[in-house]
Amino acid sequence: SQQGEEDPQALSIQEGENATMNCSYKTSINNLQWYRQNSGRGLVHLILIRSNEREKHSGRLRVTLDTSKKSSSLLITASRAADTASYFCATAGGSFGNEKLTFGTGTRLTIIP
Amino acid sequence: GAVVSQHPSWVICKSGTSVKIECRSLDFQATTMFWYRQFPKQSLMLMATSNEGSKATYEQGVEKDKFLINHASLTLSTLTVTSAHPEDSSFYICSAIATVNQPQHFGDGTRLSIL
Repeated sequence: SQQGEEDPQALSIQEGENATMNCSYKTSINNLQWYRQNSGRGLVHLILIRSNEREKHSGRLRVTLDTSKKSSSLLITASRAADTASYFCATAGGSFGNEKLTFGTGTRLTIIP
Repeated sequence: GAVVSQHPSWVICKSGTSVKIECRSLDFQATTMFWYRQFPKQSLMLMATSNEGSKATYEQGVEKDKFLINHASLTLSTLTVTSAHPEDSSFYICSAIATVNQPQHFGDGTRLSIL
């Protein structure tokens, strides 16, 4: 399996603190995406970062990508109770037009009010 | 934003029944749709990739005759679990993509329970 690894598997922090999740993958990619999943629901797209990008921001989210280390990180600043969810990284490509995603193992984030 | 509707959200049925799950892209045309399976507290595992008008491409280990996929139009793909058994119980999620190098948009998933 080419599934990536995420670290940590579970993370509990106080509301207002920052949360950092890491993702490592194994193959070359076109892009890397982060998704959030609330319990029993589908996935919500957060950020897509392309292989030629190193950092991307969206609101309270900051994603970095290091293709030399085959790793990415997701930072959520000023966490809120509503951020409680599972977060998955997913890699796409290797070849243009290959849109299959390979998902990481996920990080279960719990924000303590 | 792009919306994908998946139906039904929950189904319980007897062993031996066939179950059909629909995945629709509501406000865009999906060049490709994907079907995933997710076990509790685990990640998503891709089952198959579906392109409109052509046969689905199944991942290794996924039985084509067990999980029938039809992609009849640019907005609809269906997954039929044939002769379902308790081991087929799982959370099935579809996604759709409009064009290359863009995010996938996910349905809300279908929880399938086979008694």
